[in-house]
Amino acid sequence: DAKTTQPPSMDCAEGRAANLPCNHSTISGNEYVYWYRQIHSQGPQYIIHGLKNNETNEMASLIITEDRKSSTLILPHATLRDTAVYYCIVRRLPSARQLTFGSGTQLTVLP
Amino acid sequence: EAQVTQNPRYLITVTGKKLTVTCSQNMNHEYMSWYRQDPGLGLRQIYYSMNVEVTDKGDVPEGYKVSRKEKRNFPLILESPSPNQTSLYFCASSLRTSGSSTGELFFGEGSRLTVL
Repeated sequence: DAKTTQPPSMDCAEGRAANLPCNHSTISGNEYVYWYRQIHSQGPQYIIHGLKNNETNEMASLIITEDRKSSTLILPHATLRDTAVYYCIVRRLPSARQLTFGSGTQLTVLP
Repeated sequence: EAQVTQNPRYLITVTGKKLTVTCSQNMNHEYMSWYRQDPGLGLRQIYYSMNVEVTDKGDVPEGYKVSRKEKRNFPLILESPSPNQTSLYFCASSLRTSGSSTGELFFGEGSRLTVL
């Protein structure tokens, strides 16, 4: 699976959109981009995933560049409860091996 | 309620005293895995299992054993714990990834282990 690079930390004002970038320049054609988040020391929680098209669900939007070398997770109206570590992972499907997580981005939503 | 359950949630033990951390899921998932999380190192995979009686090493398997005798259970065994195994442990499960599955991982709440 391809490696990902994320900034170690970001701040966002409450109510504003949080845009979390991820670089995955070595991604291959059959690899998906997944986003998870971990609040405090709880188990990570799935947010969204995509292959090449932009995706949206009730939690977030995922924007993948046309060359698929980077992506952005968008939390449209960040709340204090969105303060967490956000992980961007690239993974082939189907895959016999589970995900490998990097260090992620610590997002702090400020009041 | 769909969930992954780990026990114990907290444990303090001493070097060399065998222990088992249990993991059970009620979603009929084929895949299960164990991760450990240490400050500055993110989540690292210890072992994973594709199905009953099928297990394989992850990135940091040394000092750990696993078994998968039933689909719902995937215990993590520390035969002779050492202080460097002090960590936060997570169990996770997912459906066999295919075109009809998101491949989403469901995580347990974590087990914080301290080895003195």
